[in-house]
Amino acid sequence: GENVEQHPSTLSVQEGDSAVIKCTYSDSASNYFPWYKQELGKRPQLIIDIRSNVGEKKDQRIAVTLNKTAKHFSLHITETQPEDSAVYFCAAPSGGFKTIFGAGTRLFVKA
Amino acid sequence: NAGVTQTPKFQVLKTGQSMTLQCAQDMNHNSMYWYRQDPGMGLRLIYYSASEGTTDKGEVPNGYNVSRLNKREFSLRLESAAPSQTSVYFCASSHTWDSNQPQHFGDGTRLSIL
Repeated sequence: GENVEQHPSTLSVQEGDSAVIKCTYSDSASNYFPWYKQELGKRPQLIIDIRSNVGEKKDQRIAVTLNKTAKHFSLHITETQPEDSAVYFCAAPSGGFKTIFGAGTRLFVKA
Repeated sequence: NAGVTQTPKFQVLKTGQSMTLQCAQDMNHNSMYWYRQDPGMGLRLIYYSASEGTTDKGEVPNGYNVSRLNKREFSLRLESAAPSQTSVYFCASSHTWDSNQPQHFGDGTRLSIL
């Protein structure tokens, strides 16, 4: 079946450094790629998304890049802050009705 | 502006007991979803309702049933709870069934089966 692989599973960075999380997907028909942030004990919340008609999208310190040929997309966080510490999930559509989520990346930002 | 509301927030059950998890959204969304979240496994889709009056199985439907009571409400029922169903359950909604839309999540229900 369709799947979404996410790497790394854990990422530790120093405050102020950049963090990059990568996801690969298998459904070549996918054309919408959201990223969700989940703080400890909270709900997942959408932080940024990208559609297949663009290669990059930025929102302040976060950006997402998409390579449709290679079927991967990445989340980039610059100038990381302690409040960026959370679990980040990528997702991609599957079969038109369903969304498949990656297994998540736990990001630690050390002050 | 409540968004997606789930009840209860926590529940402990004994094996074999039944339970219904409630979910309601006030965003006039057409589609609603139930996920379970287990450590290291992301969010797995249990059931979804593309629109009022329809429901369909997701990746892990065994042991669960759902009811789309009306446009606002989508409930998840465990008929005979098993320890393997210990998990955090999230309800979500989106504007349409088109999976090219962001999903809005509730706060989750933490369910333990003893």
